[in-house]
Amino acid sequence: EAQVTQNPRYLITVTGKKLTVTCSQNMNHEYMSWYRQDPGLGLRQIYYSMNVEVTDKGDVPEGYKVSRKEKRNFPLILESPSPNQTSLYFCASSLSGGPAYNEQFFGPGTRLTVL
Amino acid sequence: EDQVTQSPEALRLQEGESSSLNCSYTVSGLRGLFWYRQDPGKGPEFLFTLYSAGEEKEKERLKATLTKKESFLHITAPKPEDSATYLCAVQPMKTSYDKVIFGPGTSLSVIP
Repeated sequence: EAQVTQNPRYLITVTGKKLTVTCSQNMNHEYMSWYRQDPGLGLRQIYYSMNVEVTDKGDVPEGYKVSRKEKRNFPLILESPSPNQTSLYFCASSLSGGPAYNEQFFGPGTRLTVL
Repeated sequence: EDQVTQSPEALRLQEGESSSLNCSYTVSGLRGLFWYRQDPGKGPEFLFTLYSAGEEKEKERLKATLTKKESFLHITAPKPEDSATYLCAVQPMKTSYDKVIFGPGTSLSVIP
């Protein structure tokens, strides 16, 4: 089944404890991205990657890191999480060229709480 | 500043009662406008991409239209299974990065 998977689905952590949220897709997509969704603010783009080893900042990159060493994986790293990073996170992927030209497939989401 | 707004914030319809959702956008040139459906506890699901004013796309009971400043998602004879949050997003033409801007969404409830 074609899908985007995220792990973990739920995570409660404490301020300053480094964490990684994994994202993997099995559709051979070149484009991948991370969003956070907050009530009243909608979905906001954190980082995106046009292809392996190519990543760029989105609207709200502060406090996050990403890497794209393989085509299928695009982990989101929070080096020192803070309470304002408590949110619902979505990973998405699409074919080459990104969402303007191709359907974007979203993962099921990761609900992160930072205490 | 690039911006997307959606109205109404919430909409409650009786089954079979047709209506429209609005997405208004302000961008420096439009590369594409997207509609997504999001069910509670799930990721958004792609519905349509529109590129230029006058364009229309249909899928089952949904029809999306685009003008130079807004898009409408028309729902004809909705069923309870159409209940979801509908998200509109745009990609501006001229940006420093591959930017996608989402609106806050419209929560649709269809009552049997």
